[in-house]
Amino acid sequence: DGGITQSPKYLFRKEGQNVTLSCEQNLNHDAMYWYRQDPGQGLRLIYYSQIVNDFQKGDIAEGYSVSREKKESFPLTVTSAQKNPTAFYLCASRGDSGANVLTFGAGSRLTVL
Amino acid sequence: QKEVEQDPGPLSVPEGAIVSLNCTYSNSAFQYFMWYRQYSRKGPELLMYTYSSGNKEDGRFTAQVDKSSKYISLFIRDSQPSDSATYLCAPSGTSYGKLTFGQGTILTVHP
Repeated sequence: DGGITQSPKYLFRKEGQNVTLSCEQNLNHDAMYWYRQDPGQGLRLIYYSQIVNDFQKGDIAEGYSVSREKKESFPLTVTSAQKNPTAFYLCASRGDSGANVLTFGAGSRLTVL
Repeated sequence: QKEVEQDPGPLSVPEGAIVSLNCTYSNSAFQYFMWYRQYSRKGPELLMYTYSSGNKEDGRFTAQVDKSSKYISLFIRDSQPSDSATYLCAPSGTSYGKLTFGQGTILTVHP
């Protein structure tokens, strides 16, 4: 079955540590996205990539970094510069339907201790 | 003012009730209007979408868009406990895949 796989599902990190969240898709989609979800705030866009080796900052990119070396993979690194990293992180991809329809992974919950 | 405003609820209704979920938006360039459903601890999944103004029906769900008043609605008829989830509206314009999400409305349908 085609879909998006995010790992790990749960992650605990000490303050000052960087952590990388994995996102892999087998949908053959060109565009991929990272969102952050906090209670009462909906989804906020961190980074997105429309093609391999290219990515753009979203609305809340500070303290995060990404890479897009392969079409299938779009890992997100939460750096120690991110002041409030505890959140639910969602990866998504978009196909060619022309309607901006996103397919989401199951999410990764990061908790900073 | 946020680009998309959605009443976070929570909304609690008995089984069989008609549910109305609403969003308002400020960007007149929005053309596609999505509704996503998100179960607890899961990623959102697309429920339905409409293009421009009008209604679209899919089973027990009806999406309605009024671009003149910048108002988006999702109606659920004969609501079921399995409809209990967070519902997110997400309009977009021609901006390539950059959806703007509402805060989400938490819905509980009790038997």
